[in-house]
Amino acid sequence: DAEITQSPRHKITETGRQVTLACHQTWNHNNMFWYRQDLGHGLRLIHYSYGVHDTNKGEVSDGYSVSRSNTEDLPLTLESAASSQTSVYFCASSYRGSEAFFGQGTRLTVV
Amino acid sequence: GDSVTQMEGPVTLSEEAFLTINCTYTATGYPSLFWYVQYPGEGLQLLLKATKADDKGSNKGFEATYRKETTSFHLEKGSVQVSDSAVYFCALSDRYKLSFGAGTTVTVRA
Repeated sequence: DAEITQSPRHKITETGRQVTLACHQTWNHNNMFWYRQDLGHGLRLIHYSYGVHDTNKGEVSDGYSVSRSNTEDLPLTLESAASSQTSVYFCASSYRGSEAFFGQGTRLTVV
Repeated sequence: GDSVTQMEGPVTLSEEAFLTINCTYTATGYPSLFWYVQYPGEGLQLLLKATKADDKGSNKGFEATYRKETTSFHLEKGSVQVSDSAVYFCALSDRYKLSFGAGTTVTVRA
């Protein structure tokens, strides 16, 4: 069965370190997204991609970057982790305007 | 830009009660509309969807109708169970990007 997986599921890192969260999907979807979920803010879009070598900034992109070198993967990098980036991160993929499929999430703690 | 506004929670109900979560949207085109559900410790799962005006999406006893005239997509269930306790998100898609509401936490008590 097709799926979307995130790794790691939990991560603790120190302020200032670079962190990369992985997202891999086997749906062969062109669209991939990264969201963060925080109490009181719902889901906020960080970055998204409509295909290989395409990346776009979402509403809360500062301090984050992504790259899309193939259809299956969209890793999210925190260049220099900050305590404000402690959150739960969700990756999703979709085909055009149809429903998105979500990963299980990565809980990141920056200490 | 496109946006979704949904009823704020939290909502607490007794088992077998009627549930309604209001959702309205703003969009320039003709978006598809979705309800997602998130159970504790899990990612979001699609609950139901509607792709055009007057479509009714349904799943697991939940229903929502795409109302273009009122730009709404309210979620309803006639008799909730404890297992329906979750966070519910209304969302719209303009072909490429999903926009989410803030989420409504629903707790059902036995």
